Amino acid sequence: SQQGEEDPQALSIQEGENATMNCSYKTSINNLQWYRQNSGRGLVHLILIRSNEREKHSGRLRVTLDTSKKSSSLLITASRAADTASYFCATGNDYKLSFGAGTTVTVRA
Amino acid sequence: EAGVAQSPRYKIIEKRQSVAFWCNPISGHATLYWYQQILGQGPKLLIQFQNNGVVDDSQLPKDRFSAERLKGVDSTLKIQPAKLEDSAVYLCASSPSTKETQYFGPGTRLLVL
Repeated sequence: SQQGEEDPQALSIQEGENATMNCSYKTSINNLQWYRQNSGRGLVHLILIRSNEREKHSGRLRVTLDTSKKSSSLLITASRAADTASYFCATGNDYKLSFGAGTTVTVRA
Repeated sequence: EAGVAQSPRYKIIEKRQSVAFWCNPISGHATLYWYQQILGQGPKLLIQFQNNGVVDDSQLPKDRFSAERLKGVDSTLKIQPAKLEDSAVYLCASSPSTKETQYFGPGTRLLVL
């Protein structure tokens, strides 16, 4: 079963705007990862945040993790057309990742 | 460094036929995963190998799906016989070990008619 649930399911923004998506999960985790999938392609790893971390940055990406609320958020700043993709959160326990259904982001030029 | 390779990229078959997918992970990666991704959903883990041993195959429909990783490197996933609901993208991923970032191949898009 898929543990992470992303919200919203779809997001449409103007180029240059920020995009924020959220992920909620149900059981305890070792880490939470975000992946991007462009149409018809495989998944690309974006960022991993461990359960003892609260915030992490990578370029234009900012991820937060609140283990007390069992939730995470991914912020993409200054979005570009190339950011158009589906974004998945994946929760990791000892050996396994469970993916959510994803948020589809469309960046309009 | 070469990424995860998969073939074929696309496959169209009739229901009840058999099909096989191949995956070559990143060199040195001990852990290999096969996922099924149905349109509009996230990837679902089918089977996970650690070297040539199976770690988790709890969601693999074993009456029709089989997978092997005989020498701890390449892997094949087979479906026999295929059903309409098997239409999906089959993704292979690898990682140096469990609990780490997974690196995905481009996937094989299967259409069962």
